[in-house]
Amino acid sequence: QKEVEQDPGPLSVPEGAIVSLNCTYSNSAFQYFMWYRQYSRKGPELLMYTYSSGNKEDGRFTAQVDKSSKYISLFIRDSQPSDSATYLCAMRQTNFGNEKLTFGTGTRLTIIP
Amino acid sequence: GAGVSQSPSNKVTEKGKDVELRCDPISGHTALYWYRQRLGQGLEFLIYFQGNSAPDKSGLPSDRFSAERTGESVSTLTIQRTQQEDSAVYLCASTPRGRLDADTQYFGPGTRLTVL
Repeated sequence: QKEVEQDPGPLSVPEGAIVSLNCTYSNSAFQYFMWYRQYSRKGPELLMYTYSSGNKEDGRFTAQVDKSSKYISLFIRDSQPSDSATYLCAMRQTNFGNEKLTFGTGTRLTIIP
Repeated sequence: GAGVSQSPSNKVTEKGKDVELRCDPISGHTALYWYRQRLGQGLEFLIYFQGNSAPDKSGLPSDRFSAERTGESVSTLTIQRTQQEDSAVYLCASTPRGRLDADTQYFGPGTRLTVL
């Protein structure tokens, strides 16, 4: 079983819809949770970053972390065609020296105009 | 300012050949990471440098893979005797403090390696 599970999609929604992307994980030591967006043939770019449980909002994006359920979500409101990309969840532990990120497989999202 | 750069952007090689992939981190960034992304997969951690030492090499898949870094500058990932399963995009990331932290975008564009 992978440490981080993410539905690879593809997911297609009409422009303006609310998008919900999710990941589950098995390692309770994960403390930092991130969402990256990756356009085709580009490197990932950091979208959202959350420490421990809770919500964080940035414009049209909201990240949620539920550590009790080992479940994280990214919501995109008023989705735009420019949001079409692959979205990767990532997480890491806090202890010094273990700085690597563990990624989900990514969900390919298409926003239909 | 300049971001993380990687070269070459694409590399096609024959099975059994050696390849070198280069990463130029953002100036002043002390930490550097290499990841591999196979088709349809997430990123797999390979190795982490803090300065020119590598505290975590746990992701290197075999002894055919090695990496080095000069000071807090360029890093080279070398794959010897390449195999077809090595075909992937190799991504490099850098950070100023050894943490892939908030509010930053530090990944390079990647090198797409194809082993025939």
